[in-house]
Amino acid sequence: NAGVTQTPKFQVLKTGQSMTLQCAQDMNHNSMYWYRQDPGMGLRLIYYSASEGTTDKGEVPNGYNVSRLNKREFSLRLESAAPSQTSVYFCASSEEGNPGETQYFGPGTRLLVL
Amino acid sequence: AQKITQTQPGMFVQEKEAVTLDCTYDTSDPSYGLFWYKQPSSGEMIFLIYQGSYDQQNATEGRYSLNFQKARKSANLVISASQLGDSAMYFCAMREGFHAGGTSYGKLTFGQGTILTVHP
Repeated sequence: NAGVTQTPKFQVLKTGQSMTLQCAQDMNHNSMYWYRQDPGMGLRLIYYSASEGTTDKGEVPNGYNVSRLNKREFSLRLESAAPSQTSVYFCASSEEGNPGETQYFGPGTRLLVL
Repeated sequence: AQKITQTQPGMFVQEKEAVTLDCTYDTSDPSYGLFWYKQPSSGEMIFLIYQGSYDQQNATEGRYSLNFQKARKSANLVISASQLGDSAMYFCAMREGFHAGGTSYGKLTFGQGTILTVHP
């Protein structure tokens, strides 16, 4: 039982390049989330998926797209990377989206855009 | 307005002593959850403790307890008998219910964090 896994762990991109961050969970959770964490700050929600087949924007969605491939997998795509997207990206999941449910986080992907 | 406020950028505590990390929140939703996460230098987010808005008693999990004062909208984390391994960044977060409005159903809103350093 691996929980939430993310690939890659580290990535360096040049401005304008594209990449996809992968996330998978094995807890049979319905809801999945993508957050970014900038230095010295808390996490901010980029996109979320309340259930398979649905996605919705969070607080900072510009420059990103997501795909809920199936119940387990939720990917985040940067179509044309910008230096402002240098951050640590966390994927998380929870059973549903109710207030009392814990979100479990992956280990994070450190992205540097030059 | 900030939904989650952590006013202590950094805190220091002596090993084996207790420490309180402050968190205040702002919501008009009657149904919400409050969470504390620990982020060590390795970077992962570790769930510590949860308090529901309707819970009558303060949450406890081992050495962690949550001092929940609903009227004051505060949810302070108390760590008893601090250990060197407690040195980390600590985040308070809130999850609002369906009635909060907006589109970010179920999302966690995080504070800016408090860096805790435990001295031997």
